[in-house]
Amino acid sequence: DGGITQSPKYLFRKEGQNVTLSCEQNLNHDAMYWYRQDPGQGLRLIYYSQIVNDFQKGDIAEGYSVSREKKESFPLTVTSAQKNPTAFYLCASSMGRTSGANVLTFGAGSRLTVL
Amino acid sequence: GDSVTQMEGPVTLSEEAFLTINCTYTATGYPSLFWYVQYPGEGLQLLLKATKADDKGSNKGFEATYRKETTSFHLEKGSVQVSDSAVYFCALRKGQTGANNLFFGTGTRLTVIP
Repeated sequence: DGGITQSPKYLFRKEGQNVTLSCEQNLNHDAMYWYRQDPGQGLRLIYYSQIVNDFQKGDIAEGYSVSREKKESFPLTVTSAQKNPTAFYLCASSMGRTSGANVLTFGAGSRLTVL
Repeated sequence: GDSVTQMEGPVTLSEEAFLTINCTYTATGYPSLFWYVQYPGEGLQLLLKATKADDKGSNKGFEATYRKETTSFHLEKGSVQVSDSAVYFCALRKGQTGANNLFFGTGTRLTVIP
């Protein structure tokens, strides 16, 4: 079955450590996204990528970094510069790049807790 | 700018009650409108969508009609079940250059009690 796989599902980090969240899709989608979800705040876009080797900052990119070396993969690194990293992180993908009707497919999420 | 406003929760209903979750939007042009659902501990799933005015999206007993005159896309279900307990997100997406063209509401948590 096609879909998006995020790992790990739960992650604990000490302050000052970088962590990388994995996102892999086998849907042959061009575009991939990372969102952050905090209670009562909905989803906020961190980074997005429309094609391989290209990505753009979203609304809250500070303290995060990404890469898109392969179409299937879009890992997110939460760096020590991110002041409040404890959150639920969602990866998504969609066909095409700009069509308004294209639906996003989401992964199951990764919950990061900073101790 | 473009945005989505949905009713604040939480919403608590008894099983078989009627559900309405309000969603209004602000956007130029002709966006597509979506409802996504998030079950506990999971990612979001598409529930239904509508791509033009007067379209009705429907799925699993849920319905929403794209009303351009009132800029609304309210979610309704005639008889909710305990399994419908989840967080519901209204969203709009515009077909324009740049992938940062998807806007989510803040989500409405629904709890259905037996």
